[in-house]
Amino acid sequence: AQSVAQPEDQVNVAEGNPLTVKCTYSVSGNPYLFWYVQYPNRGLQFLLKYITGDNLVKGSYGFEAEFNKSQTSFHLKKPSALVSDSALYFCAVRAKTGGGNKLTFGTGTQLKVEL
Amino acid sequence: DSGVTQTPKHLITATGQRVTLRCSPRSGDLSVYWYQQSLDQGLQFLIQYYNGEERAKGNILERFSAQQFPDLHSELNLSSLELGDSALYFCASSGGLAGGLETQYFGPGTRLLVL
Repeated sequence: AQSVAQPEDQVNVAEGNPLTVKCTYSVSGNPYLFWYVQYPNRGLQFLLKYITGDNLVKGSYGFEAEFNKSQTSFHLKKPSALVSDSALYFCAVRAKTGGGNKLTFGTGTQLKVEL
Repeated sequence: DSGVTQTPKHLITATGQRVTLRCSPRSGDLSVYWYQQSLDQGLQFLIQYYNGEERAKGNILERFSAQQFPDLHSELNLSSLELGDSALYFCASSGGLAGGLETQYFGPGTRLLVL
């Protein structure tokens, strides 16, 4: 069965510093990986995805993620954090189920960016 | 704005009651997914419909059912409600099956409170 682990419940970083939100996955077959962000009282917003190709994926709002097959990781990164990046971040892996698809999500990591 | 709409935004009801949550996918999207987000279970996949047909089923209770109509909007019906059904219910849509490589875009959610 597919699974995703986000080992940190919360990550604190100072504005202007680089940030990393960690994600590891377990799948059979090719991994299709996604990052979403959830602001308070809002839905999930898509940030980026890895399907195939370049291991460094660039997404919205200056975020990027690095796919590492040997470490089964897909960490989310940003070179310079903003206070407005403070939100709940979810890593997800696509799983085929029956004749369709679903996303299996991690438990989420709360990012807090402070001045 | 993802283009996925959900109504109502908030719903307060009593145990034993039945409610219907509605979702309109992005224009042209054929797949609709339902997810439940709760504090203890996290984000859980419930069910997927593609062009009116059920395609995948997740951790959906027998008390819950869904359908997708010819105009592609979807409804999630929750009956015999229990306190534990209180959660945020998200709808997502994507263009088609495409092996699940397509991005799922999420609506703002319906917050259900069962008293």
